[in-house]
Amino acid sequence: QKEVEQNSGPLSVPEGAIASLNCTYSDRGSQSFFWYRQYSGKSPELIMSIYSNGDKEDGRFTAQLNKASQYVSLLIRDSQPSDSATYLCAGSNAGGTSYGKLTFGQGTILTVHP
Amino acid sequence: KAGVTQTPRYLIKTRGQQVTLSCSPISGHRSVSWYQQTPGQGLQFLFEYFSETQRNKGNFPGRFSGRQFSNSRSEMNVSTLELGDSALYLCASSLALSPGAGNYGYTFGSGTRLTVV
Repeated sequence: QKEVEQNSGPLSVPEGAIASLNCTYSDRGSQSFFWYRQYSGKSPELIMSIYSNGDKEDGRFTAQLNKASQYVSLLIRDSQPSDSATYLCAGSNAGGTSYGKLTFGQGTILTVHP
Repeated sequence: KAGVTQTPRYLIKTRGQQVTLSCSPISGHRSVSWYQQTPGQGLQFLFEYFSETQRNKGNFPGRFSGRQFSNSRSEMNVSTLELGDSALYLCASSLALSPGAGNYGYTFGSGTRLTVV
C-alpha cells in the first residue's frame, strides 16, 4: 500500500465547475500536508498547505484535512482552463531529526474544458 | 527574490559515468531536499540536508550521494550511471529551521533532466 494515495484520474470538469481532488495517507506520523500543481514539463508549484483539521481557504482553493480519517482534499472553485495540470498531494513527517521529508501521491491529472 | 536554482537543466550521460547536479536554495533557506521524478514511480525522496548534515535519506542505492555546503548550496552525485537513472531530479528548499518544523512548504527548482544512454 502506498503511503499517500490520490483518487484515480484523469479528472475532467467544465469551466466554472468545482474540481474535487482527494488524497488518503497511511502514516499517522504525517503532520503537514501540501498540494502541489505541476504543469507538463515544469516543476511542482506549492499551492496550498494545511496542518490542522478542518478547512483552509485561499482564493479559489480550499484544502480540507481530517486526521482521524487520514484524508486530505483540495477543492478548486470556478475552475479555469489554466488550472489544467497534475495535482500532487504530499505529506510531511517532520519530527525527530527530519526537517520534513515529503511523501507524494502519484498525482491526479485535471483537465478543465471550456 | 530568486527561486531555487538548479544546474544544469539538461544532461546526457553514458552508462557507467558519474554526474554531479547542483542546487542553490532560496536565500535564507537552510533546508534542502532532493527528489527523483519518473513517469513510473512519480516523485521519490532522495535525501534532505540541513546545516551541512544529511538528516534523512530515501531508499536509493549508495550510488546516490549528496552534500550541503556552508552557504546551504547542495550537490548530488550519482556514480556508475544506469539507464534507470534517467529522470528529472528536483531540488527543493524550505525555511524550516528545526526538526518538527515541517509546517513550511518546500519550493522546488526547475529540475535537471538527466538522460542516460
